[in-house]
Amino acid sequence: KNQVEQSPQSLIILEGKNCTLQCNYTVSPFSNLRWYKQDTGRGPVSLTIMTFSENTKSNGRYTATLDADTKQSSLHITASQLSDSASYICVVSASTSGTYKYIFGTGTRLKVLA
Amino acid sequence: DTGVSQNPRHKITKRGQNVTFRCDPISEHNRLYWYRQTLGQGPEFLTYFQNEAQLEKSRLLSDRFSAERPKGSFSTLEIQRTEQGDSAMYLCASSLGGGVAEAFFGQGTRLTVV
Repeated sequence: KNQVEQSPQSLIILEGKNCTLQCNYTVSPFSNLRWYKQDTGRGPVSLTIMTFSENTKSNGRYTATLDADTKQSSLHITASQLSDSASYICVVSASTSGTYKYIFGTGTRLKVLA
Repeated sequence: DTGVSQNPRHKITKRGQNVTFRCDPISEHNRLYWYRQTLGQGPEFLTYFQNEAQLEKSRLLSDRFSAERPKGSFSTLEIQRTEQGDSAMYLCASSLGGGVAEAFFGQGTRLTVV
């Protein structure tokens, strides 16, 4: 069964600190992995997209890693800011005969405190 | 604003009534997706279109749900005889092709069935 699991479910950190969010997946056939940021009451916004051959990708203070062998990804946030408070969702895309299916994790809710 | 637009943003309806939501994708995006998201969960796939063709429907899309994209541009999602369990955020996303093409999400329509 295609599944994406994220940990922790929620996280509270102080402003300026770093944190790492985890994503484990069992999705086949794997196409790509994305991290989205979703503010409360709004649609998700893409942070990074990684294919099978990419190990790491950065977007400002966000750095995503991918280990396709162990089927794990992480999202590292550096020097957190209050505006980083949101849900971070890992999405894995499976591709079958040109049809792409996106499997969403349940997200990690991050709260950054002043 | 040239992003994905969804209307209405909020809808409160009585159980048993029909509701219709609209999604205007980014122009020239040939793929359009509908997702449902309940509180604390990641989005769940409902259906997707490539141009005007509905290529896949989730088992979550019961007979009371119907989606259309008549001219390959905007899409509508109708829920007939709404139930309290239909209360959720309904998200629309669009992309130019599949694969690593980025999917852009709208702000969502929050449905409350009372």
